Amino acid sequence: QKEVEQNSGPLSVPEGAIASLNCTYSDRGSQSFFWYRQYSGKSPELIMFIYSNGDKEDGRFTAQLNKASQYVSLLIRDSQPSDSATYLCALLDQGNLIFGKGTKLSVKP
Amino acid sequence: EADIYQTPRYLVIGTGKKITLECSQTMGHDKMYWYQQDPGMELHLIHYSYGVNSTEKGDLSSESTVSRIRTEHFPLTLESARPSHTSQYLCASSELGLEAFFGQGTRLTVV
Repeated sequence: QKEVEQNSGPLSVPEGAIASLNCTYSDRGSQSFFWYRQYSGKSPELIMFIYSNGDKEDGRFTAQLNKASQYVSLLIRDSQPSDSATYLCALLDQGNLIFGKGTKLSVKP
Repeated sequence: EADIYQTPRYLVIGTGKKITLECSQTMGHDKMYWYQQDPGMELHLIHYSYGVNSTEKGDLSSESTVSRIRTEHFPLTLESARPSHTSQYLCASSELGLEAFFGQGTRLTVV
């Protein structure tokens, strides 16, 4: 089975800083990648998806994909305390979403 | 409004009872999933379905069973609940090959 690796954290950043979340994957053939945010006790919600090498921006969020190095990252600009959550990286494997263990982000006021 | 619904949200039940967790979606998605997640732990895929009359087991072995008689409905059943089944169960749906949308989850406690 394809693997998705994330540093479990916690990653702590001050309010207003850039938070950088990273994810590596084992299968070079993986094509589709997703970032989900999960607040404690809640279900995951989709933040972004990325299929092509390079950057994809949506508001304060930027997803970066580097297929040659097999990593995908999520940058959160101007981090807010409300961004404190666990961020899950996922990829599609034969049509099913396979999730990493998630990185816990804490944004300090 | 298109959405995905799970009931009940919380369930406390005794050992040996049969339970069914409901999941319905109004988005017309063919693909549906069940994930299991313990507090603070990763999501594990336990069942999925490509459409009506399709059910497959996921990566994590589970004693639960599922059915898909209608596109919008994907219930999960435990014939005899045990304390080891205590967990959060998350249902999701997607178009084939695209991102999944999750229901609010059912937090199950077996005493």
